[in-house]
Amino acid sequence: GAVVSQHPSRVICKSGTSVKIECRSLDFQATTMFWYRQFPKQSLMLMATSNEGSKATYEQGVEKDKFLINHASLTLSTLTVTSAHPEDSSFYICSGPQGAYGYTFGSGTRLTVV
Amino acid sequence: SQQGEEDPQALSIQEGENATMNCSYKTSINNLQWYRQNSGRGLVHLILIRSNEREKHSGRLRVTLDTSKKSSSLLITASRAADTASYFCATDARGSARQLTFGSGTQLTVLP
Repeated sequence: GAVVSQHPSRVICKSGTSVKIECRSLDFQATTMFWYRQFPKQSLMLMATSNEGSKATYEQGVEKDKFLINHASLTLSTLTVTSAHPEDSSFYICSGPQGAYGYTFGSGTRLTVV
Repeated sequence: SQQGEEDPQALSIQEGENATMNCSYKTSINNLQWYRQNSGRGLVHLILIRSNEREKHSGRLRVTLDTSKKSSSLLITASRAADTASYFCATDARGSARQLTFGSGTQLTVLP
């Protein structure tokens, strides 16, 4: 089946630094990628939708200048958390729609800001 | 995106028993999907039911959908300790450009 490779799986960074998370579609072309955020013991909340070759669409309340999304090719979408703060610590997951109904998810990135 | 509700929030059962989780949602949907998540890991797709279907089976899983009540249930029969995980429903709403809206999740613990 289709695979989305997400890296890194775990990252610890200092407050004020930026962290880039990559999601690569390994065997399909992803014109769209969804980025979710998940706090401990909570559900996934959609942050933004990235579209290949155009600007991402952000959900209400998500700061576009803080969570930079780039989708420059059909196989790569990146999320950069800029000037990270401890409250940005979370689990970030990407997902690519596949076929008429399916989705494939990355394995997630655990971000800890210290 | 508005989240749906799932109940129970947590469920603890003995191995061999059946586990039932319920999901309610708010909008008209194209389909509803159930996912499983082990702690700190990504999501694994379990089963998809389309809006014109009422029941679907896959192995030990049985999913029902009632679009008039905007609700779905997931039944896991003959549970195993390895079924311990969080379970989420997710809806692909009409006109949503394929965005999934996730329910609040049920933490299932199967005791050996």
